[in-house]
Amino acid sequence: KQEVTQIPAALSVPEGENLVLNCSFTDSAIYNLQWFRQDPGKGLTSLLLIQSSQREQTSGRLNASLDKSSGRSTLYIAASQPGDSATYLCAVRDSNYQLIWGAGTKLIIKP
Amino acid sequence: EAGVVQSPRYKIIEKKQPVAFWCNPISGHNTLYWYLQNLGQGPELLIRYENEEAVDDSQLPKDRFSAERLKGVDSTLKIQPAELGDSAVYLCASSLERDTEAFFGQGTRLTVV
Repeated sequence: KQEVTQIPAALSVPEGENLVLNCSFTDSAIYNLQWFRQDPGKGLTSLLLIQSSQREQTSGRLNASLDKSSGRSTLYIAASQPGDSATYLCAVRDSNYQLIWGAGTKLIIKP
Repeated sequence: EAGVVQSPRYKIIEKKQPVAFWCNPISGHNTLYWYLQNLGQGPELLIRYENEEAVDDSQLPKDRFSAERLKGVDSTLKIQPAELGDSAVYLCASSLERDTEAFFGQGTRLTVV
């Protein structure tokens, strides 16, 4: 059974720092992995989708990597801003086309 | 391009009453999902549609929950009767196909009192 883990559960860093969020999964048989952000009381916003054949994807200050063999993905945020404060969730698309979710990392960027 | 639209945004009902949620997916998206999300947790799948067919409803409590997706476009999720434990955020999402990027609506926050 696929399990997705995100560590740490919460992270607080000063504005301007570069940071890395981690996502690990137990079964490498995935179609893709998707990173989302969720603001309090809001829905989920898709940030990046990495196909299983890809190693990384970039969008602006965000860079997501995927190492399928080791069951790991990272989301790198460059030059963090207070507006980046949110909960970040990763989800893998498993062999049954289901999205399997981590519990998220709550990120706080201190001005 | 409009995103996934859900209504209502908020709903407060008394226990044992019925409630319905509506979702309009992104135009052309064949796959539609309903999720439930409790505070501090990741979403939990209730049902997944491919066009008008429910292909994964194993987590849907069928004694009180029902869903439909007529004509493979809009979808409604119904709870009857609601219980206190149903209080949560109900999220709708859609994707072009079953293995492509998923996009979410703003969710409906349900409070059962």
